[in-house]
Amino acid sequence: GAGVSQSPSNKVTEKGKDVELRCDPISGHTALYWYRQRLGQGLEFLIYFQGNSAPDKSGLPSDRFSAERTGESVSTLTIQRTQQEDSAVYLCASSLLSGWNTEAFFGQGTRLTVV
Amino acid sequence: AQRVTQPEKLLSVFKGAPVELKCNYSYSGSPELFWYVQYSRQRLQLLLRHISRESIKGFTADLNKGETSFHLKKPFAQEEDSAMYYCALSMEYGNKLVFGAGTILRVKS
Repeated sequence: GAGVSQSPSNKVTEKGKDVELRCDPISGHTALYWYRQRLGQGLEFLIYFQGNSAPDKSGLPSDRFSAERTGESVSTLTIQRTQQEDSAVYLCASSLLSGWNTEAFFGQGTRLTVV
Repeated sequence: AQRVTQPEKLLSVFKGAPVELKCNYSYSGSPELFWYVQYSRQRLQLLLRHISRESIKGFTADLNKGETSFHLKKPFAQEEDSAMYYCALSMEYGNKLVFGAGTILRVKS
């Protein structure tokens, strides 16, 4: 594909339900990031995958949040028992390498609304 | 631990005025620094990176290792510069990008 693709673009869910957000990174990109962006706020790091290394989960806000990535392809971010404070735009990014002189390419985001 | 600080949440300037978006970092090694921008209803995208020493859309940023800063500057702001700007740092291979909290730039006519 031409860029990082996220689905769905919008999701409205009832409080207490589980949601799954999907990210298709650019082919060949070994690094993949998930961020959360609340309305009017900055980027909040959630989780980072790099190749076959153990993911950096240090940003996940609670055990209701989890993410998986199959090899160097698709990633899913799962939020269980959603709460209203989970409402935000969830951004995914991928890069060819991590570290020096790399560029992260971002998806358009999934806007999650918990009602 | 590595950290990126953007002290201003909002910066409001008039069209034609100079702009400086501040970014300070904490990292003991030799970092690579970036500025990303998010225009309204657009994807977050790379604006410029230190290693390229480039000027993009009139913006420049100089890495000052003594002050551990990477401020973004533009001599004459334009209305189309209004956006959210993020400073980011990367380290050795295998480590993630670290973003600052972002600064909203509003250019008033």
